Amino acid sequence: GEQVEQLPSSLIVQEGASVLINCSYTDSASVYFPWYKQEPGKRLQFIIDIRSNMERKQNQRLTLLFDKKTKHLSLHITATQPGDSAIYFCSAWLSGSFNKLTFGAGTRLAVCP
Amino acid sequence: EAAVTQSPRNKVTVTGGNVTLSCRQTNSHNYMYWYRQDTGHGLRLIHYSYGAGNLQIGDVPDGYKATRTTQEDFFLLLELASPSQTSLYFCASSGGGETLYFGSGTRLTVL
Repeated sequence: GEQVEQLPSSLIVQEGASVLINCSYTDSASVYFPWYKQEPGKRLQFIIDIRSNMERKQNQRLTLLFDKKTKHLSLHITATQPGDSAIYFCSAWLSGSFNKLTFGAGTRLAVCP
Repeated sequence: EAAVTQSPRNKVTVTGGNVTLSCRQTNSHNYMYWYRQDTGHGLRLIHYSYGAGNLQIGDVPDGYKATRTTQEDFFLLLELASPSQTSLYFCASSGGGETLYFGSGTRLTVL
């Protein structure tokens, strides 16, 4: 089945820095890639997504890049704030998989004021 | 925003114990999911369902049963709990689109 890998597993940055979270997947039939954020002690929340027919998507300080050829995604967060401290999950939606998402292991981001 | 409510928030049981985790969504979503979250593994899908009476096997189903009694309610059952099932469990729902709405989680400890 589909496998999703995320790197790094953790990041510590100063407020205002930019960060890059990388994600790779194995099944070329995956067509949709949502990302979720989990703040400490809270539920996962959707933050941004991209489809396999796109290369880039931006939502305020978040930019998601997609390379279909290398099966790689990267999430870029600019001007980080302490409120960005959370675990970020990449996920992949396999075409025809009956609405099943496969998640990466997550990247724990800590933004220090 | 979609409302997904899990109960209990925390549960402690002993090895061999019987545990039921509950999930209710109030947004008429067809799809419901049970995931477990463990450090280093992210979220792994246990079971899911696309409607009352339907059940699909996820990626890590061993030791778990599930039942979807109504469109709103999805239960996860551990009939002989083991320490390896100590984890944070999340329920989620979706309306057939790709965005999942998650509950707040149930932390289960098996002693």
